[in-house]
Amino acid sequence: EPEVTQTPSHQVTQMGQEVILRCVPISNHLYFYWYRQILGQKVEFLVSFYNNEISEKSEIFDDQFSVERPDGSNFTLKIRSTKLEDSAMYFCASSSDTDTQYFGPGTRLTVL
Amino acid sequence: AQSVTQLDSHVSVSEGTPVLLRCNYSSSYSPSLFWYVQHPNKGLQLLLKYTSAATLVKGINGFEAEFKKSETSFHLTKPSAHMSDAAEYFCVVSRYNTGNQFYFGTGTSLTVIP
Repeated sequence: EPEVTQTPSHQVTQMGQEVILRCVPISNHLYFYWYRQILGQKVEFLVSFYNNEISEKSEIFDDQFSVERPDGSNFTLKIRSTKLEDSAMYFCASSSDTDTQYFGPGTRLTVL
Repeated sequence: AQSVTQLDSHVSVSEGTPVLLRCNYSSSYSPSLFWYVQHPNKGLQLLLKYTSAATLVKGINGFEAEFKKSETSFHLTKPSAHMSDAAEYFCVVSRYNTGNQFYFGTGTSLTVIP
C-alpha cells in the first residue's frame, strides 16, 4: 500500500540554523500539507499546497517558513532561522482530492 | 469556525471489553469528520471518515463511529478491545467541500489491559 514517507525521522539543530524537512507524498496525489505537533499540544495545520502554490496557510506559517516541490516526488518544508519554539513533530500529508489526507510518520525537530 | 473536543485524554479498558472514545465537534459548515490512529513511532493512520453519507460509519479493525448532528458528536466505538488497539486516537474535522485544513482534537490515549 502506498505511503507518505518523511526524512529524517529526527533532526537536531542549533537555534538560528536553517533546516529542511523532506517528504515524499503518495505518487498520484495532488494536494500536500504540513502540520506540526508541539509536545503535549494539538496537531496544528501549517500549510497546504496545490498546483505548485500555497493554497492555504495558518498564522503559524510566517516568513520563516517556506514550502517547495522541487521535483515530481519531493515536498519540502524549510525553516530559515530556527527558534527554540520550533521544536515539534512535523507531519507531512497528501491527498488525491480535498477529502482524506494520508500522513507520514513525522520528523521530530529539536532546536537547541 | 471548526474545532473538535476529545473528552478523555486517557482511556483504559480490559482486553475483550468495549471501547468508547468520545469526540464532540463544532463546525460552521457541514463537516467532514475523521478518526486517525497513531501507534508509537508510526504515522497517522486513517480509521474511518464521515462525509455526509450514512451516519454510522464503519472503519478498519472493527471500529465504527456514529455521526449525531443533534449532539454534535462523533464517538468512536469497538465492541471488543484487542491488545493491538493500544495507541493514540485523534478526532479530526475539516471544512466540507473546501477540505484542505484539518482541525485535530488533543488525542485520546487508549490503554488495553490484558
